[in-house]
Amino acid sequence: EDQVTQSPEALRLQEGESSSLNCSYTVSGLRGLFWYRQDPGKGPEFLFTLYSAGEEKEKERLKATLTKKESFLHITAPKPEDSATYLCAVQATNFGNEKLTFGTGTRLTIIP
Amino acid sequence: GAVVSQHPSWVICKSGTSVKIECRSLDFQATTMFWYRQFPKQSLMLMATSNEGSKATYEQGVEKDKFLINHASLTLSTLTVTSAHPEDSSFYICSARRGQNSYEQYFGPGTRLTVT
Repeated sequence: EDQVTQSPEALRLQEGESSSLNCSYTVSGLRGLFWYRQDPGKGPEFLFTLYSAGEEKEKERLKATLTKKESFLHITAPKPEDSATYLCAVQATNFGNEKLTFGTGTRLTIIP
Repeated sequence: GAVVSQHPSWVICKSGTSVKIECRSLDFQATTMFWYRQFPKQSLMLMATSNEGSKATYEQGVEKDKFLINHASLTLSTLTVTSAHPEDSSFYICSARRGQNSYEQYFGPGTRLTVT
């Protein structure tokens, strides 16, 4: 069974203090690993897709990396508006099955 | 691009009644749409996958007679919670896959269902 574990559960940072969020996964065969941002009471907002180990993607203050066992979401010099829950999900290479298996997320709070 | 809407954003209904939630892809055609539910401080759990013009595929443990899914067009999928009970109260979120060459799912804003 596919599994995703995210750590830490919650993270409080001062504005400008860089850090990383971790997503460890086990999957029979990885089709893709997805990062989303979710604000309270809203649906997840797509951030990145990573397909193979060694791949990196960047968007503004966020950078996602992927190894064969885990992914990191690095946040550089965060601002208060980066406060949200960050979700990681994996999709396995099962033919005809596009199920996303989500972790429980990291709740990030950036203090001004 | 890749905007998905849901209606209503929140609904309160009495136990035993049915509720319909709509999910629309506004700026793209979605051959595949997905329905998730999320309990407070928990992760999203896939309920079912729907493909336009065919029957939905339900995840294990999800009652297909209780959660009716219809994907009538390339831009609209509906979820009907039949004979709702308080334990069905949850946050229901749909997503849609854009195009055949991408596996990325774009999510709607969610619908908060409260059954009294």
